[in-house]
This record gives sequence, structure tokens and C-alpha cells, in this order.
Amino acid sequence: SQQGEEDPQALSIQEGENATMNCSYKTSINNLQWYRQNSGRGLVHLILIRSNEREKHSGRLRVTLDTSKKSSSLLITASRAADTASYFCATDAAGANSKLTFGKGITLSVRP
Amino acid sequence: DSGVTQTPKHLITATGQRVTLRCSPRSGDLSVYWYQQSLDQGLQFLIQYYNGEERAKGNILERFSAQQFPDLHSELNLSSLELGDSALYFCASSVRGGLNTEAFFGQGTRLTVV
Repeated sequence: SQQGEEDPQALSIQEGENATMNCSYKTSINNLQWYRQNSGRGLVHLILIRSNEREKHSGRLRVTLDTSKKSSSLLITASRAADTASYFCATDAAGANSKLTFGKGITLSVRP
Repeated sequence: DSGVTQTPKHLITATGQRVTLRCSPRSGDLSVYWYQQSLDQGLQFLIQYYNGEERAKGNILERFSAQQFPDLHSELNLSSLELGDSALYFCASSVRGGLNTEAFFGQGTRLTVV
């Protein structure tokens, strides 16, 4: 079963624009992580935000977490064509042995 | 390169057969996870091992089994294969498998059952 659900399912933007992707989840979490996957390749970890954190930055990435709404957003600023990929949020559920549960992902297309 | 190695990269086999997928985690990582990715089901957690012992189980079919060996590499065995088992199978590893640790993914094994 999917814990996280990403929104939108697909996003197409112009190079240089910002991309905002959202994730909602159902149960309490230890942390929430965002991963990126290029077509048919392995997932690459982007950023981890703990349940007691509200915002985190890494380069052009900004992640927010609202545990009261059980939601997170990933913002990619000044997007590049190379950012074209699928993006997944993954939750590490509180109280359980650590296992990352992934959403179905968001397909981001950045047009040059 | 994540440091996680999966073999083989591609596998084509017939229904009813049995296959073994292999994973070598990053040096020093004690925890190994297996995931199945298909178009309709997304990325499904199958099973996790920590230092040789099973730690968490997800949507793993009874026809599937896994183990982690003393050298920490892991194998996922898929038997009585069906067409619906065709998918990408990923292995991931993490240092402790506990709280607030990121997972490093291999490039996956693409299994095609014909």
C-alpha cells in the first residue's frame, strides 16, 4: 500500500521556472524523504526532513514538512532540462521498523 | 554510482521458472531492502534485512524469498514465476536501517517473464 501520494502526477514546465511537487501521507512519520529517478534507473536520494523539522534546503531544492496536515512539498528552483525525471516522496513510518514507503511518483518534464 | 551493485541487470525467463537476484550493499551498510517497481503498482516494499536477520516484511509473495548472508550481500529468490512478476527489482542499502537514514539504491534488475 502507498503511504505517500504525490501531486500532481505529471508536471511540465519551461527551463528556468520553479517546479513545486506535493506529497501527502497518512500516518505519523519519523522522517520524509524525496528521491529522484531517471527513466529505468535506480533512485537517487535528494533530501531527508525529520518530523521535527519544518523546512530544509539543499542547493536548488527546498523541502517543507507540515506534520499537522501530513504533507510535504518539494520546490526545485530555476529548473534545468537535466531535472527531467520522476520524483518520489518516501515516508519512514513512526513506530515501525524502518522501511521506506514510496508514493507513485511525479513525472517532471523541463522543456529547454 | 551509489555503491550498491545488483546483478544481473536484465533477466528474461519463462513462466514457472525460478530466478535469483543478487545485491551487494555499500561497504559498511548493514541494512538491505528489496523493492519491486511496476507500472501499475509503483514502488512496492518487499522485505528488509539487517545484519543477516529479517527486520521488516512488506508485500512479498510466498513464492518469493530472500536472505542476507554473513558478508552482507543479499539474494532475492523468485519462484513459480508468472507474467505479472515482470518488473524492475531494486535493492537498497543503508547504514543502520534505523531512524533518519537515507537509502542508496542499486540500478535494478529488469525481470521479464515470457
